[in-house]
Amino acid sequence: EIVLTQSPGTLSLSPGERATLSCRASQSVSSSYLAWYQQKPGQAPRLLIYGASSRATGIPDRFSGSGSGTDFTLTISRLEPEDFAMYYCQQYGSSPQVMYTFGQGTKLEIK
Amino acid sequence: QVQLQESGPGLVKPSETLSLTCAVSGNSISNGYYWVWIRQPPGKGLEWIASIYHSGSTYYNPSLKSRVTISVDTSKNQFSLKLRSVTAADTAVYYCARPGGPGSFSYWGQGTLVTVSS
Repeated sequence: EIVLTQSPGTLSLSPGERATLSCRASQSVSSSYLAWYQQKPGQAPRLLIYGASSRATGIPDRFSGSGSGTDFTLTISRLEPEDFAMYYCQQYGSSPQVMYTFGQGTKLEIK
Repeated sequence: QVQLQESGPGLVKPSETLSLTCAVSGNSISNGYYWVWIRQPPGKGLEWIASIYHSGSTYYNPSLKSRVTISVDTSKNQFSLKLRSVTAADTAVYYCARPGGPGSFSYWGQGTLVTVSS
């Protein structure tokens, strides 16, 4: 099973600043199958990025994803007040069996 | 617009079976996709439970496989989850979801909290 480790656990920043969130996999992940989600309290996760770098429908262009292999990054170029939330990375694999795994999350909080 | 709605008991006794249903609107289950269940214990991260195709093809998280059954009812445009022999560790918000981009989940239900307690 591929384990995804996100860092930092908590990121304290101010509106207008740039946020860089990391997701490291225990073994190589296909870039086609690496996604990022945002989750606010009491809400379901919202898909931000799929295929490591493709923005989901309606996601502002201040959100961008990059990376390959075992290291992936979500960048928020200029933080808006509504961006402070939990963020999860997630991967899909099919060998030796279908499996979806999530990282433990990064909490982005207002400094 | 695709909408998913979970339903089922909010309280289940230890050792009993948790049963949930996800009603889908705005998209026929028979149109394709592997429909999924995901859970999130209070204050913790997300865990994929199982996936099902309209044909009945299924995939399960190995850590839960021995206790889980996912099924689909295309006539009602819904799919269901059964988790047997529950313990307090199964207390979680349970989400149903549908993939969008490859390997990811674009559409989510609002989630339903299931508490395992006597």
